[in-house]
Amino acid sequence: GEDVEQSLFLSVREGDSSVINCTYTDSSSTYLYWYKQEPGAGLQLLTYIFSNMDMKQDQRLTVLLNKKDKHLSLRIADTQTGDSAIYFCAEILPTGGYNKLIFGAGTRLAVHP
Amino acid sequence: NAGVTQTPKFRILKIGQSMTLQCTQDMNHNYMYWYRQDPGMGLKLIYYSVGAGITDKGEVPNGYNVSRSTTEDFPLRLELAAPSQTSVYFCASTAGHTGDTEAFFGQGTRLTVV
Repeated sequence: GEDVEQSLFLSVREGDSSVINCTYTDSSSTYLYWYKQEPGAGLQLLTYIFSNMDMKQDQRLTVLLNKKDKHLSLRIADTQTGDSAIYFCAEILPTGGYNKLIFGAGTRLAVHP
Repeated sequence: NAGVTQTPKFRILKIGQSMTLQCTQDMNHNYMYWYRQDPGMGLKLIYYSVGAGITDKGEVPNGYNVSRSTTEDFPLRLELAAPSQTSVYFCASTAGHTGDTEAFFGQGTRLTVV
């Protein structure tokens, strides 16, 4: 079936690295995404990775994809208080008509001094 | 450039009342979506539209209706509000339906049905 799972909460110290993990079940996913949701705001795309890649780096963000294990992770280097938010993992499934985005429940990242 | 705009931001409805959640985008996107976000759950797709005049059901369409008379607007209608519809609603749009197109989200509408 179609399912995306994430742990619900992560707490890190400012300046440390954060690693948010996600697993998905559908091997036909073509793209996988990380969205960020700040309080009172909508979701904002952070980064995405195509399913034939295993790593993508963008400044402080590193995405790792293990397609065999259907595991996706987001690493945030030098985590700052401004990174406190909910992070959603999502996959896109190929359908004929639209982008079928399947979201995880979101991981709430709390950054403390 | 406003992106995706939703109104209202908050609303409290009584059981059985009706309301329309408004969504408009100024990016000339063909694809528009309505999601609901329940606590501890991922977003679930309610309805989507691939262009003006074309709408279709998503995963959780019961209790909702939509219309798409223009490219810009995609309102979501609740006819007989029920407590189970208490949720945060997000509208989104994309330029196309390939995976490398970004979905832009509105700020959300927090709806409480009492």
